[in-house]
Amino acid sequence: ELKVEQNPLFLSMQEGKNYTIYCNYSTTSDRLYWYRQDPGKSLESLFVLLSNGAVKQEGRLMASLDTKARLSTLHITAAVHDLSATYFCAASFTGKLIFGQGTTLQVKP
Amino acid sequence: EADIYQTPRYLVIGTGKKITLECSQTMGHDKMYWYQQDPGMELHLIHYSYGVNSTEKGDLSSESTVSRIRTEHFPLTLESARPSHTSQYLCASSDRGGAKPTDTQYFGPGTRLTVL
Repeated sequence: ELKVEQNPLFLSMQEGKNYTIYCNYSTTSDRLYWYRQDPGKSLESLFVLLSNGAVKQEGRLMASLDTKARLSTLHITAAVHDLSATYFCAASFTGKLIFGQGTTLQVKP
Repeated sequence: EADIYQTPRYLVIGTGKKITLECSQTMGHDKMYWYQQDPGMELHLIHYSYGVNSTEKGDLSSESTVSRIRTEHFPLTLESARPSHTSQYLCASSDRGGAKPTDTQYFGPGTRLTVL
């Protein structure tokens, strides 16, 4: 059974700082997704990572995938308040997505 | 950007009532999904469909049922609502084919259900 674990679950940081969210999955997966969810809202797709060593960047967010370590990271560079949200990773397994618990990011001015 | 719609957005209903949550998408996606999410928690797959007349139960046991009579429509029904059904229900769709075979799931805005 595929399990997906995120670390940390809650992150409070100052504007301008860098930080990384980690996503570990327990079984081989062919796709890794990152989503953003604002409070009371639905999920917005951020990145999909398809192969080992894949790196995707959008603004201050950069996602990477290491399939050998079964690890994906979401790196935040010079955080701004607008990045405050909950971030979910999800691994694809037999065509279905298994989600992590989510990491709630709070960026303070 | 995907076009996927859910109605109602909010529903407060009494115990024992029958309810149907609507989900429609306009992209012609073959795959559709229903997830249940409690506040601040992860999403759990409760139903999915890979095409018309095809439905499967997800990983989380649910007393709800679904149907897929048309490609664009994937309604979820609770025959007798209970307080334990109080949650947010998210619908999603994806398409593995085409020029971008990423199978990314696009989510609707969700239905927040409260059963009294």
